[in-house]
Amino acid sequence: DTGVSQNPRHKITKRGQNVTFRCDPISEHNRLYWYRQTLGQGPEFLTYFQNEAQLEKSRLLSDRFSAERPKGSFSTLEIQRTEQGDSAMYLCASSLASDGPLHFGNGTRLTVT
Amino acid sequence: DQQVKQNSPSLSVQEGRISILNCDYTNSMFDYFLWYKKYPAEGPTFLISISSIKDKNEDGRFTVFLNKSAKHLSLHIVPSQPGDSAVYFCAASARHTGKLIFGQGTTLQVKP
Repeated sequence: DTGVSQNPRHKITKRGQNVTFRCDPISEHNRLYWYRQTLGQGPEFLTYFQNEAQLEKSRLLSDRFSAERPKGSFSTLEIQRTEQGDSAMYLCASSLASDGPLHFGNGTRLTVT
Repeated sequence: DQQVKQNSPSLSVQEGRISILNCDYTNSMFDYFLWYKKYPAEGPTFLISISSIKDKNEDGRFTVFLNKSAKHLSLHIVPSQPGDSAVYFCAASARHTGKLIFGQGTTLQVKP
């Protein structure tokens, strides 16, 4: 399977804990995106990388959120001091270039109790 | 500020008939538009796209129409099949950014 892979699929954590999600994009894709989706809404853009460079971060991405793509391949999204409002589906997507469709993984569902 | 809007949360259609899903946008810098389909517990799957230099793009049962003056696009599915039942998202980008802005989604139910 050469699609976008996300781990874990589900994460339940207590408020105040830190969590980290991993995304493995399609291998030849140089762009990688993180989105967040809550119930009844479309995916909301969080941040994206071209190779290892983080090119844009949304205002939604508070300083508790950090994303990395150290070698231009896989990426991690860390949330520190989680809050109940962080509960959502976190989606990763990749694309070959800026003018191609994004290909999404199946997401990591985060529940903060 | 919702730059991409899907004003119909749901749509129900009989199998074999046409499904028409609508989307409006406000940002005149958008020049690339896409439709995605999403099943529960899966990520969105790309369906079809259209560039702002075109007003129509067709792929099998799926056709996307773009009306730039009205800042409106629509997805036509004909004939509709029960397997088309899913949430449909429209998305838009200013192509040089590659970043997609999504609408809220429309849940399509195709009844046998």
